[in-house]
Amino acid sequence: EAQVTQNPRYLITVTGKKLTVTCSQNMNHEYMSWYRQDPGLGLRQIYYSMNVEVTDKGDVPEGYKVSRKEKRNFPLILESPSPNQTSLYFCASSLSTASGGESTDTQYFGPGTRLTVL
Amino acid sequence: AQSVTQLGSHVSVSEGALVLLRCNYSSSVPPYLFWYVQYPNQGLQLLLKYTTGATLVKGINGFEAEFKKSETSFHLTKPSAHMSDAAEYFCAVSWPFAGFQKLVFGTGTRLLVSP
Repeated sequence: EAQVTQNPRYLITVTGKKLTVTCSQNMNHEYMSWYRQDPGLGLRQIYYSMNVEVTDKGDVPEGYKVSRKEKRNFPLILESPSPNQTSLYFCASSLSTASGGESTDTQYFGPGTRLTVL
Repeated sequence: AQSVTQLGSHVSVSEGALVLLRCNYSSSVPPYLFWYVQYPNQGLQLLLKYTTGATLVKGINGFEAEFKKSETSFHLTKPSAHMSDAAEYFCAVSWPFAGFQKLVFGTGTRLLVSP
C-alpha cells in the first residue's frame, strides 16, 4: 500500500531533550516536506527536500533540522525542544518536479505526530 | 506576499443542506489550487485540485469547486451535506515560481453537520 508513515504518533517530552520524528514513504517520491499544524494558523511548512541531499527552509524552520540521506526517509530533528514547538506535525511527499520545477503532483500526507514539550 | 484566506473558521449546516466553504487567494500569478479534508485524528486527504483547463473541478465524496480568476476564489461546494462530511477543510495554493511544490495553506474551516 502506498503510504507515508510517521513515528512516533504521539510524544511527550521535556524542554531540551533532543528528539527525532521519522518520516518514510514507499512511493519513490522525490519531494518531501514537513509541516506543523497549530489551531487558527493552518499548516505551515518547516522544511522541504527536493531530492536526496537537497533540503531547504520553509516558512518556520527555526528550532528544527532535517536530513535526506535516502530517498524514502526524511527525519525531523529537534535538537533542543521548547514548549512553543508543541504542535501537530505532518510529513508529506509528492512525486516531484520535472526540469523547470513545474508539477501538478498531489502531496500525500502522513497520519501526523502530536508532540507535547513540557 | 501570496496568501490564502478561508472565510469562517466554523461553518454549520443541517444534513441535506448545501455546503459552501470559501477560499480566496491573493496573487497576480494564477496558482494551482487544492482542497484537503482532515477527519478527526487523521492526516490530510486531497479532495480536489485545479491546475489548468476546466475551471469547475469535481472531487471525491460529491464535492466540487470552481476557480474564478476574476474573483481570485476557489470555493468548495456540495449540494447535500452528509453527517460524514463533518471535518476540517483546508484550502491550499501553490505557485509556479515556487516550483508548484510549496503549498501555502489557509487557516482551515471546520464543518459541523447537524441531523
